[in-house]
Amino acid sequence: QVRFVQSGAEVKKPGASVKVSCKASGYTFTSYPIHWVRQAPGQRLEWMGRINAGSGHTEYSQKFQGRVSFTRDTSASTAYIELSSLRSEDTAVYFCARGGPLEEAFDIWGQGTLVIVSS
Amino acid sequence: SYELTQPPSVSVSPGQTARITCSGDALPKQYAYWYQQRPGQAPVVLIYKDSERPSGIPERFSGSSSGTIVTLTISGVQAEDEADYYCQSADSSGTWVFGGGTMLTVL
Repeated sequence: QVRFVQSGAEVKKPGASVKVSCKASGYTFTSYPIHWVRQAPGQRLEWMGRINAGSGHTEYSQKFQGRVSFTRDTSASTAYIELSSLRSEDTAVYFCARGGPLEEAFDIWGQGTLVIVSS
Repeated sequence: SYELTQPPSVSVSPGQTARITCSGDALPKQYAYWYQQRPGQAPVVLIYKDSERPSGIPERFSGSSSGTIVTLTISGVQAEDEADYYCQSADSSGTWVFGGGTMLTVL
């Protein structure tokens, strides 16, 4: 079946960078964009941007422009998010999600990766 | 920046109908989507394109749209429906936005 499996939890110090992976299976990886969404404790879902898994073209939410980078490895059907200059407010669960065939609905989600930023 | 506004909480007794609203200025021009999120889990899409239901989603979940307000209706609420519900849409530049979420409590 279609699924995403994300990498494990991370603990980082302020100012550091973190890279999270999202491995897809069960469909043609290059057919749909992959979005990144984060959720701070007790907060709403927050869209960070997306990557066209086929072309590699990226779009970033203005809030994260310059501090976030999306990449993908088509041979491994894996997408990555790297967030730099981490601060405590970046403590959150980071999700990857497919912008699938349901009129761009985020139809498949990874299990989430907890990133804790603490000194 | 564009915002979608939801009520923080809705309470309903089992078997009753729950209605969760979401308001946003761009909703007349952009599709709305609804997600259910249980504690510690990833969201699940319930409704796309304002009122379409993916396969596998129970018929008791439905969506509707009227002007700047979209509504998620859960008919015959069950205990398992207790969760957070988020609306989602895009602004004119293609930036995706989520509402603040509504906690549904089944009394």
